[in-house]
Amino acid sequence: DIQMTQSPSSLSASVGDRVTITCRASQTIGNFLNWYQQKPGKAPRLLIYAASALQSGVPSRFSGSGAGTDFTLTIDSLQPEDFVTYYCQQSYYTPRTFGQGTKVDIK
Amino acid sequence: QVQLQESGPGLVKPSGTLSLTCAVSGGSISSSNWWSWVRQPPGKGLEWIGEIYHSGSTNYSPSLDSRVTISVDKSKNQFSLNLRSVTAADTAVYYCASADLNHYYGMDVWGQGTTVNVSS
Repeated sequence: DIQMTQSPSSLSASVGDRVTITCRASQTIGNFLNWYQQKPGKAPRLLIYAASALQSGVPSRFSGSGAGTDFTLTIDSLQPEDFVTYYCQQSYYTPRTFGQGTKVDIK
Repeated sequence: QVQLQESGPGLVKPSGTLSLTCAVSGGSISSSNWWSWVRQPPGKGLEWIGEIYHSGSTNYSPSLDSRVTISVDKSKNQFSLNLRSVTAADTAVYYCASADLNHYYGMDVWGQGTTVNVSS
C-alpha cells in the first residue's frame, strides 16, 4: 500500500492567516493527489483533485501544488468556516489511501 | 447532479455481516464512475474500503479483502457493501462515494454517511 503522511496533524491559526498542510507519498503518484475538507458530523468534501485543480464551487483561497511524492494544500486568508479537518488521498494506486488528517483550530 | 444515499441496519452483532446499500439518483450507475465505500471509526480518520465499476470489476483494501464484497445492481441503480465476520473494530460511519477519471479518481460526490455499531 502507498502510505500517505500528512503534517502537521494539527495546527492553530487565526482568521486571516495563511496556512499550509503537506502530504508525502511513500512512492511517486504523479499528480493523482486529492484534498478533502471534513466538517464535524459531515461527509468529506472534495476541494482539490489532480494535485492542483480546484473542484467546482470551492473558494479560490484554497490551492494545491506538488507532484511525484510531495504535495501541499494552502489556504489563503483563513475564514471561520475553514477551522475543520483536512485529508489528502492518493488515487494513483489501489487501495486509494488517505493521510491521517490535519485539524485546523482557532488560536 | 448525482446524489448518493446509504441505507442499512445501524446495529450488527459481532461475527455477523454488515450489509449496506447506496442508492444512486440523478445519474446512471452505468456511467464511467467507480462507486466507492469509505469508513470512519469514531474520532478517527478516513479508511478506503473498496470500489466497483458498473462492469462488476472491483478493487478492495488488502486489509479487508478477505471479508468484503462490493456488488452492483443495475436494475435498481444501486451498489452494495457486505462485510463479514464483523467485530467492534468495524464500528464506524460508512460513506458511499463516486470517483471518476475526470477528477483523477478523486471522490466528488458523497452520501451523507450511515453509522453502524457492532455490538451484542
